[in-house]
Amino acid sequence: GAGVSQSPSNKVTEKGKDVELRCDPISGHTALYWYRQSLGQGLEFLIYFQGNSAPDKSGLPSDRFSAERTGGSVSTLTIQRTQQEDSAVYLCASSLEVAGGPYNEQFFGPGTRLTVL
Amino acid sequence: LAKTTQPISMDSYEGQEVNITCSHNNIATNDYITWYQQFPSQGPRFIIQGYKTKVTNEVASLFIPADRKSSTLSLPRVSLSDTAVYYCLVGDMYSGTYKYIFGTGTRLKVLA
Repeated sequence: GAGVSQSPSNKVTEKGKDVELRCDPISGHTALYWYRQSLGQGLEFLIYFQGNSAPDKSGLPSDRFSAERTGGSVSTLTIQRTQQEDSAVYLCASSLEVAGGPYNEQFFGPGTRLTVL
Repeated sequence: LAKTTQPISMDSYEGQEVNITCSHNNIATNDYITWYQQFPSQGPRFIIQGYKTKVTNEVASLFIPADRKSSTLSLPRVSLSDTAVYYCLVGDMYSGTYKYIFGTGTRLKVLA
């Protein structure tokens, strides 16, 4: 079956511009996660959705970052007024259920590489 | 908040068994421990998951002591294609919501 897809695969933007990153999770997965991975670094958790709801947005790096999920499916991560430090690979994952039990295996997409000039 | 720690890197030779340990204090009571493998320019890929004691699948084993403050991923008879970064992942329940804490990652290099 289809895995998690993300678009665009690469995005180059100028400092100060807004960008939208899209994630299409695996059909039927109720939980969706966003992570950021800077060059050569580990994965930084940003936010998760249970259905269309994000219980905790405190992992977002600043108020320039926002995320939404609609219809229990597609999610968009928006970065306003991009800065050079926002350059990273943004990874999306989905799972059958949110963490806790044995059904929280996260399936990752290929990521969107964002470069802010 | 949970903090996970792993060795930064390890070298091994083909055919050897490799053990990578992750320490994870404050793991959420009901949460499972999951290990992922990541190749360059790809998203992480699931390897194995467990809650307590020992779990084995076709590619790895996972050892978790009773206190669950650490876990050890065991890769039997590694090959060159196992060269990758390995991460442990735990969930941390804080104020009723989860945060997902990836370990710092262990860069495994398998030598011929």
